Amino acid sequence: AQSVAQPEDQVNVAEGNPLTVKCTYSVSGNPYLFWYVQYPNRGLQFLLKYITGDNLVKGSYGFEAEFNKSQTSFHLKKPSALVSDSALYFCAVRDKGSSNTGKLIFGQGTTLQVKP
Amino acid sequence: KAGVTQTPRYLIKTRGQQVTLSCSPISGHRSVSWYQQTPGQGLQFLFEYFSETQRNKGNFPGRFSGRQFSNSRSEMNVSTLELGDSALYLCASSSGLGQGANEQFFGPGTRLTVL
Repeated sequence: AQSVAQPEDQVNVAEGNPLTVKCTYSVSGNPYLFWYVQYPNRGLQFLLKYITGDNLVKGSYGFEAEFNKSQTSFHLKKPSALVSDSALYFCAVRDKGSSNTGKLIFGQGTTLQVKP
Repeated sequence: KAGVTQTPRYLIKTRGQQVTLSCSPISGHRSVSWYQQTPGQGLQFLFEYFSETQRNKGNFPGRFSGRQFSNSRSEMNVSTLELGDSALYLCASSSGLGQGANEQFFGPGTRLTVL
């Protein structure tokens, strides 16, 4: 069965410092991996995705993520955090073998708090 | 391009009633997926429609149903509401093609409260 784990309920970081939000996944085949962000009372906004190729993926708002197949991880990173980055972040996976389905499996979410 | 729209944004119902939620996808998108978001269970997949056909279904009781129209707009219906159905219901659209590599674009959600 496919699953996604985000081991930290909350990550606290000072503004200007680098941030990392962790994600590990489990799928039977090769994965498609996604990061989304949710601000209060809003839907999810797409940040970036890994499909194939370069393990370092760059996305919106200065975020990037590193795919590590051996560790089955897809950690979200940003070199310098902003207070406005404070939000709820979701990692999601889709099995390539799912063949055209839109279904995403989400992690439980990590709240990112960036303090001034 | 306009984003995914969901109506209504907020809904209050009582136990035993039924409710219909509506979603209009991004123009040109043919796939619409529905998710339930609760503090306890997180984001859970309900079902996906593509070209008016249900393509995938999550592990929810039969009280939850949906449909898609020829213009790709989708509705989901929950009958005999229970307190545990209180949640944020999110709709997401994508082109539906490309072997699953496409990201989904989410609407703002409908907040359903069951009293």
